[in-house]
Amino acid sequence: SYVLTQPPSVSVAPGQTARITCGGDDIGYKSVHWYQEKPGQAPMLVIYDDNEWPSGIPERFSGSNSGNTATLTINRVEAGDEADYYCQVWDSVGDHPVFGGGTKLTVL
Amino acid sequence: QLQLQQSGPGLVKPSETLSLTCTVSGGSIISESHYWGWVRQSPGKGLEWVGSSSYGGSTYYNPSLKSRVAISVDTSKNQFSLRVRSLTAADTAVYFCARHGMTSATYYFDHWGQGSLVTVSS
Repeated sequence: SYVLTQPPSVSVAPGQTARITCGGDDIGYKSVHWYQEKPGQAPMLVIYDDNEWPSGIPERFSGSNSGNTATLTINRVEAGDEADYYCQVWDSVGDHPVFGGGTKLTVL
Repeated sequence: QLQLQQSGPGLVKPSETLSLTCTVSGGSIISESHYWGWVRQSPGKGLEWVGSSSYGGSTYYNPSLKSRVAISVDTSKNQFSLRVRSLTAADTAVYFCARHGMTSATYYFDHWGQGSLVTVSS
């Protein structure tokens, strides 16, 4: 089964840039999607297909994907961005979706 | 605006069967472009896909759960349902229903239910 690896935690000061990585074998050939999950809430899609924005998501959120690493970048981080973030791809071999382990973003 | 509303019991006994329903409003469950799926999250853990179904009943499941899981769709009620049998404490989790696309580029979950905490305990 395809494995996605995320750092358990990332910390950033307000107004700075947060970068959350998602590692996988040749992930650059896959479409990567990102979700934000706040406590007690359902996950919310923030980036799809590597770098596309769903309606209502601010452009402070962006994505990139190349080689063995995809990255979610959050510019001008706000306190409200504090959440768990998950990457997700389609595992074409297993024919099912796979999630990364999640990264807790802490705004200092 | 598409909305997914979940319902079902929050406490189930070991060895019994979990049943959850997701009612779709603001749109039709009959879609040639989407699957209807379930994702769960054990306490303090990450997201785990459980399984998905098309409106026509084409299903596929997480291999680790396949023998115990069934998803069904009722187009007349605009609902889809999850059943997990032979429950153990390891099945205690928040269960989410969600919609996703059908291709590798569109296989993202764009609409989610509110989540249902299911506790397996005697």
